[in-house]
Amino acid sequence: DTAVSQTPKYLVTQMGNDKSIKCEQNLGHDTMYWYKQDSKKFLKIMFSYNNKELIINETVPNRFSPKSPDKAHLNLHINSLELGDSAVYFCASSQVEGNGYTFGSGTRLTVV
Amino acid sequence: DAKTTQPPSMDCAEGRAANLPCNHSTISGNEYVYWYRQIHSQGPQYIIHGLKNNETNEMASLIITEDRKSSTLILPHATLRDTAVYYCIGRGGSNYKLTFGKGTLLTVNP
Repeated sequence: DTAVSQTPKYLVTQMGNDKSIKCEQNLGHDTMYWYKQDSKKFLKIMFSYNNKELIINETVPNRFSPKSPDKAHLNLHINSLELGDSAVYFCASSQVEGNGYTFGSGTRLTVV
Repeated sequence: DAKTTQPPSMDCAEGRAANLPCNHSTISGNEYVYWYRQIHSQGPQYIIHGLKNNETNEMASLIITEDRKSSTLILPHATLRDTAVYYCIGRGGSNYKLTFGKGTLLTVNP
């Protein structure tokens, strides 16, 4: 069983479209995250949820809206996609004071 | 989170120990040192973390200096599969986020 699974793995879409990326973790962790890795390979946190509550929002545009229906799921919806949104998006989960984060395998988003 | 400094790249021969340094001179008393790595096109992978004492697990050893201003990640017998970007991160226990820097690209050569 994959601990943190993201779907889809690849997403190619046109500018202006709306798309969602889903994430699920089966580790029983309390906290989930979305990270963005751009073409320069910098990994930046976008959002963090703890028990379905938003904890961190790192000045991400309003077009990005995370949703956590339960503590095992954290989805990312993106409105009005722009070329600059092209990146690899990683979902992760952790216990707050546990051994570390477990990351998913990433979703490569390409906006054309 | 503590600011960390790592060399941008290192090389290591296959089968030899890889020693990756990290400076974290501003680390505070309750901040742990975490190490992650990212193999090309994959999600980052947790390796090890420590507070004051040296730590060892099945992947690596972590040596933290007594003043906690620096640490070294040791991969005892590097393999080609260990080629990756290695990130050293200072993180407080109640801090909800990991902040990644630029890391060190370790290339293991045959």
